[in-house]
Amino acid sequence: RKEVEQDPGPFNVPEGATVAFNCTYSNSASQSFFWYRQDCRKEPKLLMSVYSSGNEDGRFTAQLNRASQYISLLIRDSKLSDSATYLCVENQGGKLIFGQGTELSVKP
Amino acid sequence: GAVVSQHPSRVICKSGTSVKIECRSLDFQATTMFWYRQFPKKSLMLMATSNEGSKATYEQGVEKDKFLINHASLTLSTLTVTSAHPEDSSFYICSASPEAYEQYFGPGTRLTVT
Repeated sequence: RKEVEQDPGPFNVPEGATVAFNCTYSNSASQSFFWYRQDCRKEPKLLMSVYSSGNEDGRFTAQLNRASQYISLLIRDSKLSDSATYLCVENQGGKLIFGQGTELSVKP
Repeated sequence: GAVVSQHPSRVICKSGTSVKIECRSLDFQATTMFWYRQFPKKSLMLMATSNEGSKATYEQGVEKDKFLINHASLTLSTLTVTSAHPEDSSFYICSASPEAYEQYFGPGTRLTVT
């Protein structure tokens, strides 16, 4: 079983749509998680940190369910510029474990 | 924000040669730097953790004699791919950590071995 597993994607959605990505992790002791976005042939950039049950930043909401070892990312009112690969990341004592990523394509 | 640079951004080399990639933290000191590689359509895989002034810690399956890591100062870590082969062609990304749990990524180095 992979340590961090994400929806396989790709997700193709129209502008303005709401889209949700799911992620599961296997290490119940992990305390913090992140969502990164990665554009094609670029480095990952931090989108959100998830330390407690979840947090919200504008159109983006991340939720953490420790009992189910599940993290989600919700994007509301999606924009063309949201097109990217979204990486779910687990922090295992300072070592980042990346999921395989979920590709999002927002169409006009 | 914290800025991490990598050099070169792209390199093409012949099979059997060695390639050195530099990772620098520009506006902060990083006691720990990390090296990742990413194959097309795949996620980042941690290769090694580099600590200033000590030996790097390599992940399982990563050959330390092939991927030499040096972290000589608090702002510079280098990764040398020795005797490169075509299967070493990949996107190599470093990250630097100014404190616990934060990592800032460099722009990556695309290595092509012919």
